[in-house]
Amino acid sequence: DIVMTQSPLSLPVTPGEPASISCRSSQSLLHSNGYNYLDWYLQKPGQSPQLLIYLGSNRASGVPDRFSGSGSGTDFTLKISRVEAEDVGVYYCMQGRQSPITFGPGTRLETK
Amino acid sequence: EVQLVESGGGLVQPGGSLRLSCAASGFTFSNYWMDWVRQAPGKGLEWVANIKQDGSEKSYVDSVTGRFTISRDNAKNSLYLQMNSLRAEDTAVYYCARGRDGALHSWGQGTVVTVSS
Repeated sequence: DIVMTQSPLSLPVTPGEPASISCRSSQSLLHSNGYNYLDWYLQKPGQSPQLLIYLGSNRASGVPDRFSGSGSGTDFTLKISRVEAEDVGVYYCMQGRQSPITFGPGTRLETK
Repeated sequence: EVQLVESGGGLVQPGGSLRLSCAASGFTFSNYWMDWVRQAPGKGLEWVANIKQDGSEKSYVDSVTGRFTISRDNAKNSLYLQMNSLRAEDTAVYYCARGRDGALHSWGQGTVVTVSS
């Protein structure tokens, strides 16, 4: 199975400041079709998870452009250009390259 | 608007069975892979199973293989998860999700399964 790791696991951020979360996979997520099968999800308190970024760098429908995803192979990053209060929650990366699909442990973002 | 509504959760004794359902609307159900993902109390997300558009391919996480069965009825726009031989560690919120491009684009609100005597 592909193991996903994230850092940091806890991220306090002052509103208006940028934030960055790293995700690493134990195997490459780059498919022969050129796509990296790495997604980012946000689970806000008391809510279901929501997709933010898919295929490494594509924003999902309705996701603000302050969210961006980058990386390839085994190293990926989610960046928030300016954190807002509504961005609080747990961020998960997930690999869809190989079954079983696996998630990272989650990064809890809180505002200072 | 895409809607996924799970049902069928509840309290069950160890060794018992439950059948979860997910009613889909707002999109052409038969065009999408569908997945089940669970979240134990206070824990992270764990993928459970998925099924191809026509039901011809199914995959499971090892911990449920042989106990859980995913299925779908495209005529009823519904996804199912038959859970047998339930264990305490199966206690979780179970979400159904719509898959595309290797991602889970839409999620339901979840249904709670509690396995306890």
